[in-house]
Order: sequence, then structure tokens, then C-alpha cells
Amino acid sequence: DADVTQTPRNRITKTGKRIMLECSQTKGHDRMYWYRQDPGLGLRLIYYSFDVKDINKGEISDGYSVSRQAQAKFSLSLESAIPNQTALYFCATSEPGLRESIQYFGAGTRLSVL
Amino acid sequence: SQQGEEDPQALSIQEGENATMNCSYKTSINNLQWYRQNSGRGLVHLILIRSNEREKHSGRLRVTLDTSKKSSSLLITASRAADTASYFCATSLSGGGNKLTFGTGTQLKVEL
Repeated sequence: DADVTQTPRNRITKTGKRIMLECSQTKGHDRMYWYRQDPGLGLRLIYYSFDVKDINKGEISDGYSVSRQAQAKFSLSLESAIPNQTALYFCATSEPGLRESIQYFGAGTRLSVL
Repeated sequence: SQQGEEDPQALSIQEGENATMNCSYKTSINNLQWYRQNSGRGLVHLILIRSNEREKHSGRLRVTLDTSKKSSSLLITASRAADTASYFCATSLSGGGNKLTFGTGTQLKVEL
């Protein structure tokens, strides 16, 4: 089984719909992240959480919200999806510590907003 | 804006040749990492180099870091078709905790 699991793997939705992308991990890491990837733009950080009670906005948080239900679960919601949120979304985890920051990624969720 | 910019954007080589890709960044870092992404899949960590290191090796990978020029390079020696993927540099910024800022990536194609 994958250490970082994202569901669903693919999702097609319509403009204005609310959707949730889920991430769960078995690595025991405190730190979790949500990124989106667009062609030619690399990965951009949406939200991150350093523990269950800590939620922080990333570079591009507008239009998104998150919930850290437990150490192992971190969900990303699009309250009212719009077409320019069509992208590949990744969840990642890392161990605590200021200097070492290797991240472990899920397989991604491909989202299309029509 | 992106912290890291990679060059070239795309690279096509023959199997057995070496592949070199470069990354430039803007601000002081704790470390710089390279990740690999097979088409449409999650990123996989390859190698990390700390700001006080200049060169690091891992198997067929060699990474260099020049903090005075704010640049890094990744060399893959004796490339194989299975090395075909996108490669991203990511920087952990001084005072930035565990957050990483990713570059735009280099698409490597290794042909038989």
C-alpha cells in the first residue's frame, strides 16, 4: 500500500460545485502539504499544516480551504469550483525539523472543472 | 513567483549519454533538493544537498551547489531510457521551516 494515498485519482466536476480531495498517510509524519501542478509552472503550494492544530496558507490559497481531521488526514476543498482550478493536485508529507525537509508525495488527483 | 528556474526546459539525449540540468534560485537556502516525476505521477525525492555542501553523489547522480551564484546542477551519468521523466529542483529557504519551493522542471527524454 502507498504511504501517501490520495482519493479520488481523477475527478470531473462542473463549475460552481463543491468538491473535496482527500489525503491520508501511514508515514506518521506531522507535516502535510497540498500543491497544484499546472503545465510549465511546476508545483505551487496551496496550504500546509505542521500539526493537527496548525493550518497555514501557501502561495495560492484563494478559492481553496483545508481540514486536518487527524495527524494522518488532510483534505482540500474547492468551495465553488471554477475552470481555472483544473489541474493536477498533490498531497505531500514530511517529518518535523527545521533543516531537513524531504517530502513524500501521493500519486495525485487529476481534476477537471467544466 | 517561482524560487527556482530550471534550464533547459526540455532535453533529449541518447541512451548512454550524460544529462545535465541546471537550477537557479533567488534567496538564501537551507538546502536544495532534486525530485523526479514520471508522467502524471507523484514526485519522488532523489537527492538533497545542504547549503554548506558543494557536491554530492548518489549512484549515477551528481549534484553540485554554488551558493555564491545561487545555482545547482544535476548530472545523470550513463542515462537509460528509464530515466525519461521530469526533474524538479526544490529549495528549502532559510527561516522557511519545512516548506519547499519548486522550480518549473526539466523534461528529460532518453532515446534508445
